[in-house]
Amino acid sequence: QKEVEQNSGPLSVPEGAIASLNCTYSDRGSQSFFWYRQYSGKSPELIMSIYSNGDKEDGRFTAQLNKASQYVSLLIRDSQPSDSATYLCAVKAYSGGGADGLTFGKGTHLIIQP
Amino acid sequence: EAGVAQSPRYKIIEKRQSVAFWCNPISGHATLYWYQQILGQGPKLLIQFQNNGVVDDSQLPKDRFSAERLKGVDSTLKIQPAKLEDSAVYLCASSLVRAAVGVLTFGAGSRLTVL
Repeated sequence: QKEVEQNSGPLSVPEGAIASLNCTYSDRGSQSFFWYRQYSGKSPELIMSIYSNGDKEDGRFTAQLNKASQYVSLLIRDSQPSDSATYLCAVKAYSGGGADGLTFGKGTHLIIQP
Repeated sequence: EAGVAQSPRYKIIEKRQSVAFWCNPISGHATLYWYQQILGQGPKLLIQFQNNGVVDDSQLPKDRFSAERLKGVDSTLKIQPAKLEDSAVYLCASSLVRAAVGVLTFGAGSRLTVL
């Protein structure tokens, strides 16, 4: 059973600070890793993807991957109230036959305090 | 580019009744997924289609859930008979190529309440 674990929070961060979100996964065969953002009552939207060890930066967002530790993180710099949402970690593992649906964690609820 | 369309947005039914959800993916997207998202949890994959063929339905409760994708475009997800634990948002997502390494576009979802 492939599992993706996240702290459900809520994680409360002051405006302008760095928000750090973490995720661990169980399947060592996992190849691709994603962070989706989900506002309350809305559907998930992709914000970051990462495929190799190290850091990947996109604007205020940085994704970090450590495959040896089976650990993925997302840093949000200069946090804004509009960043308040649930952040879902998703993992894609190689499967035979073309099956490649993502396995999602439960999500971390992030609150940015003005 | 039009997004992924889903209907109905909301549905309330009694347990043991049946319900059907419809999804129209982004034009040209060959891969279509149905996810179930229970309140407070992440989306759980139910079924993946590639064109009109099923690629993965390992987590679909086949005794009560069924899905089809006719002509490789629209898809319908059916639940019969519904149970209380089926109360959830049913999300349809599509991708241009197989998961396009994770780039799924989700529809707005269909919220089901089973009483």
